[in-house]
Amino acid sequence: GAVVSQHPSRVICKSGTSVKIECRSLDFQATTMFWYRQFPKQSLMLMATSNEGSKATYEQGVEKDKFLINHASLTLSTLTVTSAHPEDSSFYICSARAGISARSNYGYTFGSGTRLTVV
Amino acid sequence: AQKVTQAQTEISVVEKEDVTLDCVYETRDTTYYLFWYKQPPSGELVFLIRRNSFDEQNEISGRYSWNFQKSTSSFNFTITASQVVDSAVYFCALLMEYGNKLVFGAGTILRVKS
Repeated sequence: GAVVSQHPSRVICKSGTSVKIECRSLDFQATTMFWYRQFPKQSLMLMATSNEGSKATYEQGVEKDKFLINHASLTLSTLTVTSAHPEDSSFYICSARAGISARSNYGYTFGSGTRLTVV
Repeated sequence: AQKVTQAQTEISVVEKEDVTLDCVYETRDTTYYLFWYKQPPSGELVFLIRRNSFDEQNEISGRYSWNFQKSTSSFNFTITASQVVDSAVYFCALLMEYGNKLVFGAGTILRVKS
């Protein structure tokens, strides 16, 4: 159980275009989803936290207008990188959590990540 | 403030050697949760273990074992008889009881050579 599907796994886009990444919880309802960015050989940097039906909470330094997050249902969250530039190239990973407290049996389940390359 | 330190940036071992990955955490909370994740070259994060702060029992799962010591705020991870497939980046993470965000360490790159 507790599977999170993330698509696409790889995407190459032209500078100036927008890219949408999807994160789906397949066998549980994710009340909260998280989006991370990971630079090569570095740790995961939390970008934003989204709760179903409400606006995402962004971490300091993350541009809300650049990284649009939508969490329209309990099983789907999307991250749209708008007007992408080469510096947005990175590995993006989503995570989903079920339950309302940290005592949830599922803990945090991660997607397989999306490698974005902006050319 | 919460913080996780993985002082070992990179470790290289030869297959069949035992290896221990260190994790030291900082928190003022009395209830918290500690995690270990494996990130193979393909990129996905694989959950290995979650340990609650009120449960200091060490855990063994096959070749993996974890040593949780609250007195030293450490949650170390040992792989016994390492294999090439263990090569990955390993992350230790911390979560507060009523928190929402995992705090990750910097990760340790483990290279197991045949």
